[in-house]
Amino acid sequence: EVQLVESGGGLVKPGRSLRLSCTASGFTFGDYAMSWFRQAPGKGLQWVGFIRSKPFGGTTEYAASVEARFTISRDDSKSIAYLQMNSLKTEDTAIYYCTRGAPGFIREPLDYWGQGTLVTVSS
Amino acid sequence: QTVVTQEPSLTVSPGGTVTLTCASSTGAVTSGYYPTWFQQKPGQAPRTLIYSTNNKHSWTPPRFSGSLLGGKAALTLSGVQPEDEAEFYCLLHHGGAWVFGGGTKLTVL
Repeated sequence: EVQLVESGGGLVKPGRSLRLSCTASGFTFGDYAMSWFRQAPGKGLQWVGFIRSKPFGGTTEYAASVEARFTISRDDSKSIAYLQMNSLKTEDTAIYYCTRGAPGFIREPLDYWGQGTLVTVSS
Repeated sequence: QTVVTQEPSLTVSPGGTVTLTCASSTGAVTSGYYPTWFQQKPGQAPRTLIYSTNNKHSWTPPRFSGSLLGGKAALTLSGVQPEDEAEFYCLLHHGGAWVFGGGTKLTVL
């Protein structure tokens, strides 16, 4: 059974950093791209970015709003995807979800979602 | 700034058919926008229903179908069930970025 579990969320002050983890199980992690999305309280969904699998370069793509501050990485030996968030702003407050696959990828389409982890940026 | 537009709300009777649409401010939506549809119920994570216009996952009920309709991406529910009441989001590809619509709140009444 495919499972994705996000962790690392919490309360952080503006300007500080936080690293989220997405621990995967039930599939061969290294074969898949992994994506991050977020949802501000009471609002809609927003794409954050994704990382390709190593066979496809392990490269990343980001939304413009986070590109200079957020970094997605992966540790295939541990089946974990990371979202490093720097210079956090109050508008980054959201539930952060990881998903298997990536948008537009026919071979690795977006499918399973984790339950999310809440990040609150506040002084 | 690309804007993706969905109907804010729709109401359908049980057993009825409803079509949700997803439009792009840049023009007609084509398969190259890789339309993807998600369902989200209150307090739950989203669920991916349809990817790349009309491809279903194993968990996608047969009554859900994706298409292109009149220059928009469309999600049609045929034979709506009470459990289909939810927020539905579409996602489109725009020049390297991925943009969500604002969501459609579907009420089954």
